[in-house]
Amino acid sequence: NAGVTQTPKFQVLKTGQSMTLQCAQDMNHNSMYWYRQDPGMGLRLIYYSASEGTTDKGEVPNGYNVSRLNKREFSLRLESAAPSQTSVYFCASSPGTTYYEQYFGPGTRLTVT
Amino acid sequence: SQQGEEDPQALSIQEGENATMNCSYKTSINNLQWYRQNSGRGLVHLILIRSNEREKHSGRLRVTLDTSKKSSSLLITASRAADTASYFCAAGNTPLVFGKGTRLSVIA
Repeated sequence: NAGVTQTPKFQVLKTGQSMTLQCAQDMNHNSMYWYRQDPGMGLRLIYYSASEGTTDKGEVPNGYNVSRLNKREFSLRLESAAPSQTSVYFCASSPGTTYYEQYFGPGTRLTVT
Repeated sequence: SQQGEEDPQALSIQEGENATMNCSYKTSINNLQWYRQNSGRGLVHLILIRSNEREKHSGRLRVTLDTSKKSSSLLITASRAADTASYFCAAGNTPLVFGKGTRLSVIA
C-alpha cells in the first residue's frame, strides 16, 4: 500500500516549457487535491476533484490545468511555465471532501528558470 | 486568502515542556484539522475536530475549538525532539483552507 505517489520528485524547467505532474493513490479515495507550498505562504489549493469526473478551481488556479484521469490518478499540467511557478507541489487524497483527513504525497520540487 | 492563521509563526522550547499553537479563522466552518510537516516531507494528519465539539484529545495532543471566537489551539504536552516540525491548521467546509503554519523547534 503505497498511499499517494507523485512523479517526478524534482524538475527544472525553462520559462515557457510545459510539463505534467503525476499523482496516483491506491486507497480508493474519491477526492484528490493539488497544492503548492511557497516559503512563508503555507499550502495553497490549486485545483481539486471532489469525485471522479469533476474538477474545481482552488485559490490559485491560474497557469494550471488538471485532469482526473480515473479514480486513482489526478494530474497537474503547466502549459507555459513561469518563474512564479517555482514551488513545491503536493498532491493529496481523501475519502470525501467533508469531515475527512487528507493524505499527502511526498511532493515535487519544481524550479522554473 | 487563507482561512486559517497560526500564531506564533515560530516557537522554540526545551524538551519536556508543553507547546501551544493557536489558529484563527474567518468564516463559519464545519470542521478544523491540524497537520504536521517534517522538513522536506508531505503533511501528516494529526487530529480533526468538528464544529460541534469543544475539545479533543489524541495521545499527547489536545485540541480545543471556540467557534464564537473563531479560534482553535493545539497543545503538545511533554514535547520531544521528534516533535520538531511545522504545524498547520486547516479550517473550512469544502475544500479546506490551510494556514501558513507554526515552526516548532524542540531542543534536547
